[in-house]
Amino acid sequence: GNSVTQMEGPVTLSEEAFLTINCTYTATGYPSLFWYVQYPGEGLQLLLKATKADDKGSNKGFEATYRKETTSFHLEKGSVQVSDSAVYFCALSDRGGSYIPTFGRGTSLIVHP
Amino acid sequence: DGGITQSPKYLFRKEGQNVTLSCEQNLNHDAMYWYRQDPGQGLRLIYYSQIVNDFQKGDIAEGYSVSREKKESFPLTVTSAQKNPTAFYLCATSPGSETQYFGPGTRLLVL
Repeated sequence: GNSVTQMEGPVTLSEEAFLTINCTYTATGYPSLFWYVQYPGEGLQLLLKATKADDKGSNKGFEATYRKETTSFHLEKGSVQVSDSAVYFCALSDRGGSYIPTFGRGTSLIVHP
Repeated sequence: DGGITQSPKYLFRKEGQNVTLSCEQNLNHDAMYWYRQDPGQGLRLIYYSQIVNDFQKGDIAEGYSVSREKKESFPLTVTSAQKNPTAFYLCATSPGSETQYFGPGTRLLVL
């Protein structure tokens, strides 16, 4: 079956540091890949997505590239802010099925001033 | 103002009691989902519905029930059979694509 593995957190950084959150996946088909973000006490919201190999998703300074050869979709940001503190979820959706996504366990990011 | 509303924000359940969590959407999305979120465990799918009057069990349906009588509404009942209901419950919708849209969540606590 499908699965998503994320690096464990929390990831603790100082403001303006470079961020990488690793995500690898296992899927039988050609899934679409997503990053969702969850701020404290709220629901998840879509951060970015990529639908095919070598696609780069980007939003709010965050980027992730769909790497089929390494089955990865790592999240990066060049300079984090305190307001980026949240939990980040990597997910995949198998388009051949019923669009039920598979989520990773989430990675907590804490950014200090 | 389009969106997904969940109510209440906090809900307290007594032993042996059934409680119902509300999820309403005005996005005109066909599919709706219920997830349970526990610390360090990510999201687990409870039930989903892709069309009115039809729904399917997810990975952890035991102790829960749902109905989908209207496109806009997908209430979740946590029954007394669910022995460990304390969690954050998230409702989501989808327009039949891969992207999901989430409500603000309901936190259920046991008295």
